[in-house]
Amino acid sequence: AQSVTQLGSHVSVSEGALVLLRCNYSSSVPPYLFWYVQYPNQGLQLLLKYTTGATLVKGINGFEAEFKKSETSFHLTKPSAHMSDAAEYFCAVSWRWSGGSNYKLTFGKGTLLTVNP
Amino acid sequence: AAGVIQSPRHLIKEKRETATLKCYPIPRHDTVYWYQQGPGQDPQFLISFYEKMQSDKGSIPDRFSAQQFSDYHSELNMSSLELGDSALYFCASRTGGGPGELFFGEGSRLTVL
Repeated sequence: AQSVTQLGSHVSVSEGALVLLRCNYSSSVPPYLFWYVQYPNQGLQLLLKYTTGATLVKGINGFEAEFKKSETSFHLTKPSAHMSDAAEYFCAVSWRWSGGSNYKLTFGKGTLLTVNP
Repeated sequence: AAGVIQSPRHLIKEKRETATLKCYPIPRHDTVYWYQQGPGQDPQFLISFYEKMQSDKGSIPDRFSAQQFSDYHSELNMSSLELGDSALYFCASRTGGGPGELFFGEGSRLTVL
């Protein structure tokens, strides 16, 4: 079965430090990969996505992620954490639904990022 | 820019009551998805519609039903509510035909007492 795994339900970093949130997927076909951010009591906002083309993708708020097929990974990074980055981050994957075009998202369990002053 | 509109934002119901959530997608978006997010959980896919037809079904209880109307808005109907139905319900929309971004609404928080 296709799935997505986020390593670490809680990551804590100091302000200005590197942010690294890990995401691995299992799939028999190439996936489409996404990172979403969720602030408390708010909806999900897309940070970045990989569908085809360049494997290093840049998103909003200084985040980027690299699709590594050999490692089945799509880790999210940011060189320098800011207090405003504190939120829940979800990795998500989609696969083309056989018999049609659906592209529903399957989410990982999420990683709560806290940023310490 | 117009976003996905969900109503109501908050809803409190008693057990065994019914509830209806509404979703208004971004204009010209023809695909709608419903997700359920329990406390501290990841969003779980419930059901989706493309061009007013159900396109996929996930872990949606039989007590729930949904449809997409001619104006592309969608409604999620929940009957015989249980305590475990308390969750944040998200609607997302996109244009069909490719792996594009899903645009999420702010969610409807259902509390079942």
